[in-house]
Amino acid sequence: GENVEQHPSTLSVQEGDSAVIKCTYSDSASNYFPWYKQELGKRPQLIIDIRSNVGEKKDQRIAVTLNKTAKHFSLHITETQPEDSAVYFCAASHARQLTFGSGTQLTVLP
Amino acid sequence: GAVVSQHPSWVICKSGTSVKIECRSLDFQATTMFWYRQFPKQSLMLMATSNEGSKATYEQGVEKDKFLINHASLTLSTLTVTSAHPEDSSFYICSARRDQSSYEQYFGPGTRLTVT
Repeated sequence: GENVEQHPSTLSVQEGDSAVIKCTYSDSASNYFPWYKQELGKRPQLIIDIRSNVGEKKDQRIAVTLNKTAKHFSLHITETQPEDSAVYFCAASHARQLTFGSGTQLTVLP
Repeated sequence: GAVVSQHPSWVICKSGTSVKIECRSLDFQATTMFWYRQFPKQSLMLMATSNEGSKATYEQGVEKDKFLINHASLTLSTLTVTSAHPEDSSFYICSARRDQSSYEQYFGPGTRLTVT
């Protein structure tokens, strides 16, 4: 089955700096890659997603890049704000089932 | 649109009892619903995939006789944890997908289960 690895597990940045989280996946048939933000005790919130036929997608301060050849994808958050502090999960979808990465605790220091 | 609810939001039960968790899609019909379990500071692990009107498909290592899943309608799926034990204490989250061609899953708010 699919295996998704996510790094780093924790990330601290100064407010205003950029944050980058990276994921790799194992199944070359995976074709949908969403990113979720989860606050403590809450549901995962979809923040951005990308299909396998696209290399990059941007939505305001958030961008995702996908390298299908290398089987890795990354989340980029620019101009970070304290409210960006949360756990971020990447996921890969094969046969429309999601396999999640292990999560990254992002802390934005004021 | 695309709102998913769960009930209850939290429950405490005694060891050996059973607990039922409901997952509802409020403003759309969901052909497929998923059940995840999330332990503290860990990721979401898929437990089972449930299609309306058919038996759920369980992931490897998930006991189907312990975690009973029913998806009797296009807006409701239930997860029953039978003979619960303290190690079943976890955050259970459901998600729903509109149809077979959709990629996006809409997540419920989760149910915190504590077994004493």
